[in-house]
Amino acid sequence: TQLLEQSPQFLSIQEGENLTVYCNSSSVFSSLQWYRQEPGEGPVLLVTVVTGGEVKKLKRLTFQFGDARKDSSLHITAAQPGDTGLYLCAGARGNAGNMLTFGGGTRLMVKP
Amino acid sequence: DAGVTQSPTHLIKTRGQQVTLRCSPKSGHDTVSWYQQALGQGPQFIFQYYEEEERQRGNFPDRFSGHQFPNYSSELNVNALLLGDSALYLCASSRGLWGSGNTIYFGEGSWLTVV
Repeated sequence: TQLLEQSPQFLSIQEGENLTVYCNSSSVFSSLQWYRQEPGEGPVLLVTVVTGGEVKKLKRLTFQFGDARKDSSLHITAAQPGDTGLYLCAGARGNAGNMLTFGGGTRLMVKP
Repeated sequence: DAGVTQSPTHLIKTRGQQVTLRCSPKSGHDTVSWYQQALGQGPQFIFQYYEEEERQRGNFPDRFSGHQFPNYSSELNVNALLLGDSALYLCASSRGLWGSGNTIYFGEGSWLTVV
């Protein structure tokens, strides 16, 4: 049973379109991290959000942490083929050290 | 400044064999965690080492064991390999055991195929 549910699981869009990936849980997390993973490589950290309601922007990517710290979203504006990859959300609980609970991932393909 | 390094990158083992995977954490990091990522899934936490002790463990059988050395590097050992152990094994490092928002860095992983 996944404690973090990501949706959608797969997304295929055209270059220039916008998209949003969701990460939902019934559990509260002390922080939530978003990673991007290329085939055959390890996850690369994009952002860490800590405060409920926090919004962080990384160029065309906007990350939001829910007010109750149970959910998060990743919005990409004007997607490019270079954005193609597996996007993973991962939560950490304050009483569980730096152990991460991952969602199942969203596989994004951006076609030129 | 080297990031998290893992070895070997790929290996093939036969059912019933044993395997050892190695990890060197990022410079300045003292906590190492191991994750298993099956094809098409998100990583699953195996265990975490800090001060040479296993601090937390996920839902993995005793066939999975580990060790952390005084220089903070770590090994993951899997005994009596099963076909289902085929996966990408990821090592992650961080500084300290606690603290929300600690940045956690991953290595490129070791691809294990069990035949």
